[in-house]
Amino acid sequence: QVQLVQSGTEVTKPGASVKVSCKASGYTFTSFGISWVRQAPGQGLEWMGWISGYNGYTDYAQKLHGRVTLTTDTSTSTAYMELTNLKSDDTAVYYCARDQSSSSIWFDPWGQGTLVTVSS
Amino acid sequence: EIVLTQSPGTLSLSPGERATLSCRASQSVGSGYLAWYQQKPGQAPRLLIYGASRRASGIPDRFSGSGSGTDFTLTISRLEPEDFAVYYCQQYSNSPRTFGQGTKLQIK
Repeated sequence: QVQLVQSGTEVTKPGASVKVSCKASGYTFTSFGISWVRQAPGQGLEWMGWISGYNGYTDYAQKLHGRVTLTTDTSTSTAYMELTNLKSDDTAVYYCARDQSSSSIWFDPWGQGTLVTVSS
Repeated sequence: EIVLTQSPGTLSLSPGERATLSCRASQSVGSGYLAWYQQKPGQAPRLLIYGASRRASGIPDRFSGSGSGTDFTLTISRLEPEDFAVYYCQQYSNSPRTFGQGTKLQIK
């Protein structure tokens, strides 16, 4: 079955960076894309960006001001999300989700989520 | 960016009742490019509906979506105990993709 398994909880400090991984299985990685969505504690969902598993094209939410970088390793069917210059309001659960290869559409299925806590 | 406003914020109903959730967009969502998700506490969201009205794989037929332009609706025809959760709409007509703030469906 299609599955996305994310890396574990991260605790980090303001100004640092974090890199979350998302390993896909059960489908051809290069035929789809991956979107990243985050959810602050008790809050709603925020789309961060999308990457094509086919050609590495990306689309980012401008709100993140260039602090986010999405990459893939097709040899291991793994997607990565790196967020730099962390602030306390970056504390959230970060989800990866399977998306379309040519542009971001809907998200199905989702990974289990990775909690990132930013605290001094 | 397209702002999605969901109403009501909280909906209190009993099992067996019909639920109607609304999602209104700040500008037209082209081609009905709207999806709905269900999220239970401590879990990742699950896709229910895409293309405004198409059920995702494995979703029971008591869930249905409708609407176009700026007004969309998710209807649950007869609530089961497992349906009480938070529901989000999401548009994929424009970038950035955006979500509504959610409707919490709780047991009355």
